[in-house]
Amino acid sequence: DAGVIQSPRHEVTEMGQEVTLRCKPISGHNSLFWYRQTMMRGLELLIYFNNNVPIDDSGMPEDRFSAKMPNASFSTLKIQPSEPRDSAVYFCASTRGQTVNEQFFGPGTRLTVL
Amino acid sequence: GENVEQHPSTLSVQEGDSAVIKCTYSDSASNYFPWYKQELGKRPQLIIDIRSNVGEKKDQRIAVTLNKTAKHFSLHITETQPEDSAVYFCAARYSGNTPLVFGKGTRLSVIA
Repeated sequence: DAGVIQSPRHEVTEMGQEVTLRCKPISGHNSLFWYRQTMMRGLELLIYFNNNVPIDDSGMPEDRFSAKMPNASFSTLKIQPSEPRDSAVYFCASTRGQTVNEQFFGPGTRLTVL
Repeated sequence: GENVEQHPSTLSVQEGDSAVIKCTYSDSASNYFPWYKQELGKRPQLIIDIRSNVGEKKDQRIAVTLNKTAKHFSLHITETQPEDSAVYFCAARYSGNTPLVFGKGTRLSVIA
């Protein structure tokens, strides 16, 4: 199993640009989570999906952030327009759900907004 | 909702000594408590977990204890080695498809 896959691994962009982060969960996992990690705030849950349906997006910081999961094997997190304070590492994670199982993290996307 | 507090935020120990990290949680319905290790520039990875029907679990030099009454759980690392240096996160979750709620992390430094 390839594990959770994220792309790109690094993204450098200028303020005001649109940023799209991508995630492929582990096959057979039906819960997907997007986290943001910074030194100041630690690991923050942004949004999570069960069976491709967004369940809780209360962690999404602003309307500039949006996430989709069009099918069981793909999710995107979009920031439009991006701002310097969005600079962070964004992790995607997945779990089989239904029962209490290990949550696997992807390698993360390091976003830098200039 | 669930809230997880983790202490200390930083911890330095001499190689060979033990390290203890403590967490408290707020929601008595939580029943799954994993610990993740994150090395610099890498993803968090599960090192040990415990479920609410168990009071203690051990895996080689790592052990976790859970006190449901007091709603706290701890990570114990014995005979620490330099490669144990990392940030450790505790977390808690209800059963089902709810997300993990993480503590703020503990930066452990093992000094050779």
